[in-house]
Amino acid sequence: ETGVTQTPRHLVMGMTNKKSLKCEQHLGHNAMYWYKQSAKKPLELMFVYSLEERVENNSVPSRFSPECPNSSHLFLHLHTLQPEDSALYLCASSHGAAEQFFGPGTRLTVL
Amino acid sequence: KNQVEQSPQSLIILEGKNCTLQCNYTVSPFSNLRWYKQDTGRGPVSLTIMTFSENTKSNGRYTATLDADTKQSSLHITASQLSDSASYICVVSAGGGGNKLTFGTGTQLKVEL
Repeated sequence: ETGVTQTPRHLVMGMTNKKSLKCEQHLGHNAMYWYKQSAKKPLELMFVYSLEERVENNSVPSRFSPECPNSSHLFLHLHTLQPEDSALYLCASSHGAAEQFFGPGTRLTVL
Repeated sequence: KNQVEQSPQSLIILEGKNCTLQCNYTVSPFSNLRWYKQDTGRGPVSLTIMTFSENTKSNGRYTATLDADTKQSSLHITASQLSDSASYICVVSAGGGGNKLTFGTGTQLKVEL
């Protein structure tokens, strides 16, 4: 499989649940990103990992916890989310500062 | 503050017609500008990239222009097809190292029969 894949594609969770989003890139890139996309708003950068180290955290609430075990995998652990966290969560990867390639996203609904 | 503004917010055109989408930005220092196409339920896919010295770039029926002096870009779609229905997002990259992107909110294009 090529490109950037994300699972699950859709997720519905209650505010007390714990779930994880998974992203995998098959492009040999060394940087990975989590973005949040809400309706009628620009993509919001959440986290950046470069060479498996977190290099950016854009004031994201602690109920979102990223994990990058290796250069090909990125997780976003979710717990005690709020309804306003419902959005499309996009993963992307790049080689350094070159073009970012996006995954298909996980559509998250928090009830 | 770096910002990217796009217009119109949404657009409906008939199949076969042309259209032009606009992007104004205030990103400094400027590195490059990309137009992405995002189909419903999918991630964005890059259509074109332009650096400071490039005025125009084409990708099939898509032609992007850049005026670095006025900080404006446009995306022209020729002979539209139903498959062009999507959100088109203008993304500007700031220079100075790193991969800092500023995203527009997108123009939602619908092509109808």
